[in-house]
Amino acid sequence: EVQLQQSGPELVKPGASVKISCKASGYTFTDYNMHWVKQSHGKSLEWIGYIYPYNGGTGYNQKFKSKATLTVDNSSSTAYMELRSLTSEDSAVYYCALITTRAYFDYWGQGTTLTVSS
Amino acid sequence: EILLTQSPAIIAASPGEKVTITCSASSSVSYMNWYQQKPGSSPKIWIYGISNLASGVPARFSGSGSGTSFSFTINSMEAEDVATYYCQQRSSYPFTFGSGTKLEIK
Repeated sequence: EVQLQQSGPELVKPGASVKISCKASGYTFTDYNMHWVKQSHGKSLEWIGYIYPYNGGTGYNQKFKSKATLTVDNSSSTAYMELRSLTSEDSAVYYCALITTRAYFDYWGQGTTLTVSS
Repeated sequence: EILLTQSPAIIAASPGEKVTITCSASSSVSYMNWYQQKPGSSPKIWIYGISNLASGVPARFSGSGSGTSFSFTINSMEAEDVATYYCQQRSSYPFTFGSGTKLEIK
C-alpha cells in the first residue's frame, strides 16, 4: 500500500526557513515524480513543483521558483521541500502527492500545516 | 498558465436534487480531473480523464466536456457528497486547479 507520511506542523518566524518532509513507502521511490501542493487556509490548491527521485530532476511553478527548493534522500525514500524567506503569505497546508501510472494525483500525504508568525 | 474558472463557488442542494458544477479553462485542455476534499482531509481523486470515475466513486457522479468547457454532475444529491470539489488540468505546466466549489446540503 502506497503511503506518504509528512512531518508535523511548523510554527516559524517571518524571515526564517523551514524544511518539510514526506516519507514514502509501498512502492519504488525512484519510479515516480513527487509533487508538492499548497493550500492556503480556506482557499484553493496551487501546484508548487515536482522532483524526479531517480535523477533529482525538478520542475517548478514559476511563482514558487524563488520560494521553494525540492530535494530527495533516496536512501530513506524521503522527499523534502524547503521554503525560505517566510512571510505570512506562506502560512498554509502543504501536501506531497504522487502521480503514478495515471495522469492524476492518486496518492496524497496528510498535509503539513505551516504557520508563519512572530 | 492555464486558468481554471469554477462555478458556482458555493451551492446548496436538497437530497435527491441534481447538481452541476462547471469548470472553464483559459486554453484548451485534453485531460481534466476532479477532486473531492472534505474538511481536515487531503484531496481525493474523484473523476479523471474528463469522465472516468475513480475507484469506489458512486455511479451518481459523472463528468463531461471538452476543449475549454467541462462539467461535473451529481445525479441525485446525498448527504455524504457534502465536500469541496476542484477541477484540475495537467495538459501543461504549471498544473493548475480551479477555485473550488463548496457543496452543501439543504
